[in-house]
This record gives sequence, structure tokens and C-alpha cells, in this order.
Amino acid sequence: AQSVTQPDIHITVSEGASLELRCNYSYGATPYLFWYVQSPGQGLQLLLKYFSGDTLVQGIKGFEAEFKRSQSSFNLRKPSVHWSDAAEYFCAVGAGGSNYKLTFGKGTLLTVNP
Amino acid sequence: KAGVTQTPRYLIKTRGQQVTLSCSPISGHRSVSWYQQTPGQGLQFLFEYFSETQRNKGNFPGRFSGRQFSNSRSEMNVSTLELGDSALYLCASRKYRGRDLDTEAFFGQGTRLTVV
Repeated sequence: AQSVTQPDIHITVSEGASLELRCNYSYGATPYLFWYVQSPGQGLQLLLKYFSGDTLVQGIKGFEAEFKRSQSSFNLRKPSVHWSDAAEYFCAVGAGGSNYKLTFGKGTLLTVNP
Repeated sequence: KAGVTQTPRYLIKTRGQQVTLSCSPISGHRSVSWYQQTPGQGLQFLFEYFSETQRNKGNFPGRFSGRQFSNSRSEMNVSTLELGDSALYLCASRKYRGRDLDTEAFFGQGTRLTVV
């Protein structure tokens, strides 16, 4: 069975600073990897996804993520954070073939200081 | 193109009652999945429906059930509500790409259920 670990429950950064959110996964094969963002009281918005190929993927809102097979990681990065990036971020693994489902990490809450 | 639509957005129910939540997928999407989100357990998979059939099910009691209609809209029902069922219920839709469903899921805004 797949699992996802997001080691950081809460991260605070200053506006304009760089950001890296960590994600480690466990799965027997190469999984489908996703990062979603959730604003308070809202649903999940897909930021980016990795299926295969180039291990550095670009997403919306200036985010990128790098897949590292050797470390079972899929960390999310942004070079310069904006106040509007304050939200909760979820890493997810998609796997299971005909029993496909998304397995999510516990999330990382991002606070942005002015 | 409209996104995934969930109704109602908010519900308050009394313990022991039952509740039905609705989800309309993105036009053309044929799969609907349901997830429960709570502060303690996080996001957990409930079940998925495709072509009116349950395709996969998570580890939830039988009080949680669902169905899908021919227009791909889905409903989720929870019977005999417990306080612990208070949560944000999210549904997601996936597109069918001729041989299988796409792996990318698009989520709705959720239904906030409060059980008192």
C-alpha cells in the first residue's frame, strides 16, 4: 500500500523568500505524484503532477517540484513566495490500477509574513 | 467549463439522522470519487464510482454508501450519523481516456457536514 509523509506540519516564511515543502512517499513502483493546495474552507486545487519523464515539473502559480527516486521524494518549491500563497499544501500519491485512489499526506500549513 | 459542483456547501444534522450529499462532475468526466477530510485523520478515500458502478472502496463502515447516475452525477449517503462524521466531504472527478480513467483528479469545493 502507498503512503505519503509530509514532515513539516507548519512552515512560516517571509514574503519574497524562497519556499520548499517536503514530501516523501512509499510505493513499490513509480507512482503518480501530485501537489494540491487548499485555501480555508475550500476544495483542493491541483498545482502540479508527475507521471514520468523529466523529474523537474512546472506547475501553476510559479510552483515547481522535483521527483527524486533515490530519496522517494517529491518536494515542492517556489523561488519567491507571495502573501496569497498562504494555504495548506497536500502531497498525494495516485496508485492502484483498477483500484486507483489518491493517498494524501497530512498537509503542510504555510503562513506568509509580510 | 464548470468545475466539480457539490451541494449543499454546508449541512448541520443531528446524531442518528441520515444525510445525502450530491456531486456533479466536470462535463465529460465519468468517474466520481469521495474523500473525507478531518483534522485528525486528514484526507481519506471513501469510494469511487465509474459508469454507475462502485469501482473501489476505502475502509469506512457500511453506513457510508454512494451511487452514481447515468449522467455521472453522484450522491453519497451517511446513515445513523455520529459526531465523528463531522467533516469536509470532497468529491473529485476523473476523465475517461478511451482505455482507462485519467490519473488526474479535480476536486469540488466540498460539503461541510456538522453533526450535533
